[in-house]
Amino acid sequence: ETGVTQTPRHLVMGMTNKKSLKCEQHLGHNAMYWYKQSAKKPLELMFVYSLEERVENNSVPSRFSPECPNSSHLFLHLHTLQPEDSALYLCASSQEAQGISYGYTFGSGTRLTVV
Amino acid sequence: SQQGEEDPQALSIQEGENATMNCSYKTSINNLQWYRQNSGRGLVHLILIRSNEREKHSGRLRVTLDTSKKSSSLLITASRAADTASYFCATAGAFGRGTSLIVHP
Repeated sequence: ETGVTQTPRHLVMGMTNKKSLKCEQHLGHNAMYWYKQSAKKPLELMFVYSLEERVENNSVPSRFSPECPNSSHLFLHLHTLQPEDSALYLCASSQEAQGISYGYTFGSGTRLTVV
Repeated sequence: SQQGEEDPQALSIQEGENATMNCSYKTSINNLQWYRQNSGRGLVHLILIRSNEREKHSGRLRVTLDTSKKSSSLLITASRAADTASYFCATAGAFGRGTSLIVHP
């Protein structure tokens, strides 16, 4: 257990469904991140929240909607996804100082399959 | 982009041999980090090297950094079958595709 917990571990959803991924960190970090990992591609940074404010959104389609209600919790709301959105979604947290991180702690990921 | 790129993409060695993986990046950095990922799991932080450091050790791991060449290397000495995993470098939150290491018993 890394201190970053993601649920669910596996999710299969239809293209018309709405679901949410949850991430919780118990490390007292001040920044949280969503990454997408697809086969044979670099890890894609999707969203960054620092001090609960979204500071980065890397041209992610609007069918992905993040939410960070407090510094310990991060959600990724999913709706009307496409099959190409099937991937491993990783949450991470870190302690940032002046915008610089000295190490990310990752959760185990949610394996998402869109059918 | 700060994205690191690891080289080689895949590496297959025998137990006991050393494994060397390289990383190149594009812009100036504050620090560079190496991570390990077992299949289908999250990444685990291995070691961080700051931009003013040239070499760092942690157990069987040795990391070097050459900021003039914008490159870093990760050396795993006396490899074990349990070292089989993918290894990633990261700068400012940007990761590459990783090196897939297989260590044969």
